Amino acid sequence: DTEVTQTPKHLVMGMTNKKSLKCEQHMGHRAMYWYKQKAKKPPELMFVYSYEKLSINESVPSRFSPECPNSSLLNLHLHALQPEDSALYLCASSPYGVAGGEGTDTQYFGPGTRLTVL
Amino acid sequence: AQKVTQAQTEISVVEKEDVTLDCVYETRDTTYYLFWYKQPPSGELVFLIRRNSFDEQNEISGRYSWNFQKSTSSFNFTITASQVVDSAVYFCALSEAGNQGGKLIFGQGTELSVKP
Repeated sequence: DTEVTQTPKHLVMGMTNKKSLKCEQHMGHRAMYWYKQKAKKPPELMFVYSYEKLSINESVPSRFSPECPNSSLLNLHLHALQPEDSALYLCASSPYGVAGGEGTDTQYFGPGTRLTVL
Repeated sequence: AQKVTQAQTEISVVEKEDVTLDCVYETRDTTYYLFWYKQPPSGELVFLIRRNSFDEQNEISGRYSWNFQKSTSSFNFTITASQVVDSAVYFCALSEAGNQGGKLIFGQGTELSVKP
């Protein structure tokens, strides 16, 4: 089973709202990722968690706050977003943790959350 | 610097035609991995194949085949007898063994439209 689930599928929020995106996998994977994808563009890496610890932050604005409560769950907390943050947010997981040259696992993606910021 | 180029932005074919999606990559690492993903309109990226830099053997999976040539830094993807369900955006991606965090370097994607 190579399933990564994401909720909600769609989210509309105002610029003053606080919301969260949720990602879950039960494959025993030790690395989890958040990507942002704008229309007609490839996914852009935002964060990587390895063994529940933040491994990579690709200089993402602080209005995006990731959290990894356990090895199966990854959240992305959203606060004071801008309309240009509207995008498809994809979560992915890979079997092994990532550290110093080990990051070549296959990443398995969830269906994404389509976020619209008004 | 690492880079992936998918020069074909859009391809349109009629069902049952064969179609090849091109992917050219740049890397200084001797150990690296190449991937293809399919993204249908629903949005999910579906993993298709992973190939490491030491394995140049071509692969076939049903109607899908991949041609890896290190001499030309290419990893092309061919769909034989295309079907409407093959309509999607296809991304080629590169991951270097020496990088941190398992970062995937994606190409810009090729949007394939298969018409009945």
